[in-house]
Amino acid sequence: VQLQGSGGGLVQPGGSLRLSCVGSGFTFSTSAMSWVRQAPGRGLEWVSAISVTGGSTYYADSVKGRFTISRDNSRNTVSLQMSGLRPDDTAVYYCAKGSQCGTYCFDYWGQGIRVTVSS
Amino acid sequence: DIQMTQSPSSLSASVGDRVTISCRASQDIRNFLGWFQQRPGKAPKSLIYAASYLQTGVPSNFSGSGSGTDFTLTISSLQPEDFATYYCEQYHTYPPTFGQGTRLE
Repeated sequence: VQLQGSGGGLVQPGGSLRLSCVGSGFTFSTSAMSWVRQAPGRGLEWVSAISVTGGSTYYADSVKGRFTISRDNSRNTVSLQMSGLRPDDTAVYYCAKGSQCGTYCFDYWGQGIRVTVSS
Repeated sequence: DIQMTQSPSSLSASVGDRVTISCRASQDIRNFLGWFQQRPGKAPKSLIYAASYLQTGVPSNFSGSGSGTDFTLTISSLQPEDFATYYCEQYHTYPPTFGQGTRLE
């Protein structure tokens, strides 16, 4: 199982960024997916999740209305469109795969994508 | 949201030691608890799910126990690669929440 993330970088406050994560080595279309972030020197914070079909999406209150999660099962890809970025969104963002024990029961994680929001 | 509290926040130990990390939930989460290991600069790695079941490939010197509100992660004999930060996570109640981490050094 591999989860390969891309799309991070430096963005100004108020700006937008799109993160992507490509899964391989498992049946992507039957796995719920999440994004979890970690601010510098801090712990883990769940950000967003999407169901296997993409028909249901979920967001932490801290990002609701600013972030949009989506998936393309034909390309084994989950994405996170981030807009209205704030300095406190600065973090490493991980995609995480849900498992048989539940949507938020994570068994594999991507390598992390660094996002820096600063002027 | 359910609050997850780990203790201790940091722990000093030596190779070969047996260590135990605690995680307490602010309300009953049955056994909907996972443990993760994170080495510096690396992604988290899943160790345990459903409080006591080892993820595939995780060495048997790791074990988990507990139910309800109190849980423990035990490493029976520390190896050099086990020095890392450990997190618990509850997935019983939305939104999922993590403990603040325990740094093992």
